[in-house]
Parts: sequence; structure tokens; C-alpha cells
Amino acid sequence: AAGVIQSPRHLIKEKRETATLKCYPIPRHDTVYWYQQGPGQDPQFLISFYEKMQSDKGSIPDRFSAQQFSDYHSELNMSSLELGDSALYFCASSLVEKGSDRDYTFGSGTRLTVV
Amino acid sequence: GDSVTQMEGPVTLSEEAFLTINCTYTATGYPSLFWYVQYPGEGLQLLLKATKADDKGSNKGFEATYRKETTSFHLEKGSVQVSDSAVYFCALHSFNTNAGKSTFGDGTTLTVKP
Repeated sequence: AAGVIQSPRHLIKEKRETATLKCYPIPRHDTVYWYQQGPGQDPQFLISFYEKMQSDKGSIPDRFSAQQFSDYHSELNMSSLELGDSALYFCASSLVEKGSDRDYTFGSGTRLTVV
Repeated sequence: GDSVTQMEGPVTLSEEAFLTINCTYTATGYPSLFWYVQYPGEGLQLLLKATKADDKGSNKGFEATYRKETTSFHLEKGSVQVSDSAVYFCALHSFNTNAGKSTFGDGTTLTVKP
């Protein structure tokens, strides 16, 4: 079965650079979520989109922005990168019409290292 | 807001021992509950889930029951193996809005020794 695809798997950037992470949800899924997991920490919710509109917003820095496109894929744009942005970034997708189950599924993550 | 409290680790067991990792939650409404496993340097893997009260999730010998009366979702396995060594996260997902969001516990590191 198709899973949530994230690219790239690994990314190394320098301080003050910009990074773009991509997420391709499971086909037919209408909702995308972004999470950040720092070293030794639990994942923290950043932002979500339902039907291409922002749904919920968590602890996402102002330097970050995200959107969901017409084909339902999503991109997380991160500017003025700081060392503290080094983390594993997860994307998840779900299908609202499936009720409480929703086929909620995580991708394998993008590991961002800022040097 | 939503919160998940997970048994503090690390937990060290001998192979074939019984495992329990406690998880309790606070949430409005009726969240779905999950256990995820994460191996070093890797992503989150869904271990099991339950979407309503009294549901039991099970997978690979692990199981957990959604207890609404005690707001708990404790993870158990009858006989652990060395390959079960990993970090385990309890999580809830509240679909209060269209999308909802997941709230995770702090994670419990399990080490199983031969």
C-alpha cells in the first residue's frame, strides 16, 4: 500500500539558509500535518492543512511557512535557519471522511541538520 | 489542553520478561489513542491504535486497551525480545477540528538484554 512520502530524507544546511521540505500524502488523503522532533524529544505539532486550507497551528516559528497544493502535497518552508532547527521533521496524512479512524499515517521523516 | 503522561524510563528488562509501559491522558472529547515505536535514527512506526473506549489494539505481541474510565492506554507484552529495544511513544489524536493534532508523551526507552 502507498505510504506518506517525504523528501528529501536528509538535508544539511548552513545557518541563515533556507530549506524546503516536501510531503506527498497517501492518495485520496485530504489532510496533512507537520511535526518537529528535536534530539531526545517527543514530536511537537507544527501545523496542519485540510482541503488545502490551514486547519490548526501549533508551535511553528514565524520563520517557517507551509502550504498544501492542489494535488494535496504539502511543503514546509524554513528560512533564516538556526542551529536549533536541527531536528527530524515528520509529515502525516489522513482522510477526514473515515471518521475516528481516518487512516492517520506518518511518513519516515526528513532529518534536517543545520551547521 | 490535551496531554499525555507516560511512564518514565529508561526501562531495562531481560529477554522473555513481561513488559508494561503506563500511559494516561487528558483530552476533551473522544480522542484516538496510539502507540508508536522509534528505533535509533529512524522514523515513527505505528505499533497499535484504538479509536474508541474498550477497543484493544494489538500487533506483534504488543497490546493496549483504551480505558475511558481511567483515561489510560497501557502498553503490554508478555515476552520481550532483544529486538524490541527502542523508544516507545504513547500519543493521542483529537479530531476536535477538521484536522485535529497529535499530542505525544515524552517517550520511554526500552532496553532488552539477552
